[in-house]
Amino acid sequence: EPEVTQTPSHQVTQMGQEVILRCVPISNHLYFYWYRQILGQKVEFLVSFYNNEISEKSEIFDDQFSVERPDGSNFTLKIRSTKLEDSAMYFCASGQGHEAFFGQGTRLTVV
Amino acid sequence: DAKTTQPNSMESNEEEPVHLPCNHSTISGTDYIHWYRQLPSQGPEYVIHGLTSNVNNRMASLAIAEDRKSSTLILHRATLRDAAVYYCTRWDYKLSFGAGTTVTVRA
Repeated sequence: EPEVTQTPSHQVTQMGQEVILRCVPISNHLYFYWYRQILGQKVEFLVSFYNNEISEKSEIFDDQFSVERPDGSNFTLKIRSTKLEDSAMYFCASGQGHEAFFGQGTRLTVV
Repeated sequence: DAKTTQPNSMESNEEEPVHLPCNHSTISGTDYIHWYRQLPSQGPEYVIHGLTSNVNNRMASLAIAEDRKSSTLILHRATLRDAAVYYCTRWDYKLSFGAGTTVTVRA
């Protein structure tokens, strides 16, 4: 069964450093998403991506965040200068419409 | 999602049905109702969705009230593997998750 793959599973970074979280969505999907979940809190929408551009973003997705689909298969989330409060589980998802498939997540720890 | 209301938690015994309610009184006529669940240490997982009619799939059933102000997710025979947080949400080209209902299944 096709699945969304995220790498790495865990990333530790120093405050102020740039991180890139990588995702391989399911191949025939057209919609791509990033969500995050701070420990013990709800899953929060960050951004949606369709037709090679951002279709919607939340207030969390400020200038420190960017997304890219560099080669037609990968979908990346970049955080330019990480803060302690960026520590969270980041989930990538892809879908064709109503059903979204989520990856297993990348746990980002900012120290 | 601020537009859906779910109980914080529910408990069930293994092999018994679980009925998870959700109120969505402000939902529009074209919004689909979606249910996802999140098993411990995993990403959310699609369960079922519907618009007006009741829906069934291999995982669950979704009963939608005639006025669409509420719905109920039905797990017909709960197993220990169904212990998860269940989210009721609407689809507007993205999913917006609330706190969900934490389901505990007793052996």
